[in-house]
Amino acid sequence: GEDVEQSLFLSVREGDSSVINCTYTDSSSTYLYWYKQEPGAGLQLLTYIFSNMDMKQDQRLTVLLNKKDKHLSLRIADTQTGDSAIYFCAESKDSSASKIIFGSGTRLSIRP
Amino acid sequence: ETGVTQTPRHLVMGMTNKKSLKCEQHLGHNAMYWYKQSAKKPLELMFVYNFKEQTENNSVPSRFSPECPNSSHLFLHLHTLQPEDSALYLCASRVTGAGSTEAFFGQGTRLTVV
Repeated sequence: GEDVEQSLFLSVREGDSSVINCTYTDSSSTYLYWYKQEPGAGLQLLTYIFSNMDMKQDQRLTVLLNKKDKHLSLRIADTQTGDSAIYFCAESKDSSASKIIFGSGTRLSIRP
Repeated sequence: ETGVTQTPRHLVMGMTNKKSLKCEQHLGHNAMYWYKQSAKKPLELMFVYNFKEQTENNSVPSRFSPECPNSSHLFLHLHTLQPEDSALYLCASRVTGAGSTEAFFGQGTRLTVV
C-alpha cells in the first residue's frame, strides 16, 4: 500500500540547520514533494525531486533521496523564525497519476 | 495566492444541517482534489476528479457528496455530519500528464460540526 511517514515535531535553534525526514513505502513513486503550511494557510510547494535524482539544492533547501531505503530528507540551512511551519512530505507515481499521498507533517519550531 | 480559492474560510454547522464547500481555480488545471486535514493525522485524500470525472473515492462516507460541474469548480456537499468530521478541508488542483505540475492548494475551509 501507499504510506508516507514523518516525525511529528522538530525543534531547532535559530541559525542552525534543520533536517526533516520522511519515509515512504511505494517503490514506484516517481515524484517526491516537500510542502510547507503556515498557520491558517493551505499548503505551498517548497521543492520536489524526481526519483532518478539523489539530490536537489535550491538556495537554503537541500533535498536528499535514498531510493533504496525509500527515505527522503529536507535540510534547511541557517534556519530562521520565518521557517516555523508544518512541513509535509508527499509522493505520487507519475505525471499522469491523480493521487498525491501526504505524510502527517512535521511541525518545525525555532528557538532563539 | 496560489490561484485556488475556497469558500467559506470558516463554517460552523449543526449535525442536521446541509451545507456546501466551494473550490474554484482558473489555472487551466484538469485535476481537482478534496483533502481532509485533522490534527496529528496524515492529510487524507477524499476525492479526485480528472476532467470532471471522479477517479478516486477514498472510502469516504456518503454524508460527503462531491460535485464537479466543470474543470474549474469543485464542491463538497455536506449533510448530517458528525462532530468527528470537524477538520480543515483543503482543495487542490494540478495538471496531470504531459507538462504535469505540483498540486496547488487553497487556503482551506475550517469546518466545525456542533
